[in-house]
Amino acid sequence: GEDVEQSLFLSVREGDSSVINCTYTDSSSTYLYWYKQEPGAGLQLLTYIFSNMDMKQDQRLTVLLNKKDKHLSLRIADTQTGDSAIYFCAESGGNYGGSQGNLIFGKGTKLSVKP
Amino acid sequence: DSGVTQTPKHLITATGQRVTLRCSPRSGDLSVYWYQQSLDQGLQFLIHYYNGEERAKGNILERFSAQQFPDLHSELNLSSLELGDSALYFCASSQGVMNTEAFFGQGTRLTVV
Repeated sequence: GEDVEQSLFLSVREGDSSVINCTYTDSSSTYLYWYKQEPGAGLQLLTYIFSNMDMKQDQRLTVLLNKKDKHLSLRIADTQTGDSAIYFCAESGGNYGGSQGNLIFGKGTKLSVKP
Repeated sequence: DSGVTQTPKHLITATGQRVTLRCSPRSGDLSVYWYQQSLDQGLQFLIHYYNGEERAKGNILERFSAQQFPDLHSELNLSSLELGDSALYFCASSQGVMNTEAFFGQGTRLTVV
């Protein structure tokens, strides 16, 4: 079945780059997403990538997609203490196209940024 | 602020009871999605409504039901509650059916005692 895997924890120093990795199983996923969840808050969509792209850059965020290996990564440049949060990888489910109607989420990676 | 409003923020109830969670989507959004976030299951898609009609169903128990009203707000009804139903319930909304972006509310934290 569909599954999304992420490592649970990542710790970096302020100013360093963070790389959060994710693997997924559904090769028919049209879009892949990264969400951020801060303590006590809802999910914030950070960025997404269409499955026919290899890379997408948005300010400090870079998403890399290796479709052959079904591997997605999120790189945060110049990581700040305010980036401390849980980051979720998600793939669009099989119901229809790129709709977010059925997102399959990973368990989330807790990023801790040390000053 | 995502523009999606969920009420109540917190809910504590006893096993066997029934509760209703409410979601007001962003202005202009026709789609509403419900998700459950628990420690053991993670984030799971429950159900999707578009303009009042059910469009997709995920891992939603038979004890749970939802609807979307003509004014586009949505309610998630949870009945015969069990301890394992304790979780954070999120609502998200998007403009149409096949959108790449959905916006999440702050969630309702349900505790069943």
